[in-house]
Amino acid sequence: EDQVTQSPEALRLQEGESSSLNCSYTVSGLRGLFWYRQDPGKGPEFLFTLYSAGEEKEKERLKATLTKKESFLHITAPKPEDSATYLCAVQAEVGNNDMRFGAGTRLTVKP
Amino acid sequence: DAGVIQSPRHEVTEMGQEVTLRCKPISGHNSLFWYRQTMMRGLELLIYFNNNVPIDDSGMPEDRFSAKMPNASFSTLKIQPSEPRDSAVYFCASSLEDRGENIQYFGAGTRLSVL
Repeated sequence: EDQVTQSPEALRLQEGESSSLNCSYTVSGLRGLFWYRQDPGKGPEFLFTLYSAGEEKEKERLKATLTKKESFLHITAPKPEDSATYLCAVQAEVGNNDMRFGAGTRLTVKP
Repeated sequence: DAGVIQSPRHEVTEMGQEVTLRCKPISGHNSLFWYRQTMMRGLELLIYFNNNVPIDDSGMPEDRFSAKMPNASFSTLKIQPSEPRDSAVYFCASSLEDRGENIQYFGAGTRLSVL
């Protein structure tokens, strides 16, 4: 069965303090790995899709990387507005086009 | 595009009552997903439609839950009768399913409280 594990559950950073969020996955053939951001009271907002090991994508202060077993979301010099829950999800190569989500990492950036 | 539109945003009901949640997907998308999110279990897929046809309903908790997609621009999730343990945030998402990207775009959710 496909599994997604995110760590840490919660992360508190000072503004400007760079760090990384981890997403470990087990899937029978990866079709895509997705990162979403979710703010309180809102739906998940799409950030990145990664398809193959070695792939990297960047958006402002965020960079996502992918290996055969895990993905990292690197946050460089974060700002308070980066505070949110970050969700990772995988889509399997074979089967339906549904996604399995991890439990998320709740990031708080203090000014 | 206005994105995925869900209604109502909040629903408070009493145990035993029927609850209907509504979703309008992004125009042109051919896949629609219903999720439930709780603190304990996170984001769980309930059911998934492709071209208005239910493809996978294995996540539907029990017969009290049903979902329909009568056309490409509308879907409902119904709970009858509702129970307190159904209290959660219910999200609808849509995507354009093809051989390339299959990004799901989420609505703002419906927060359901069953008293």
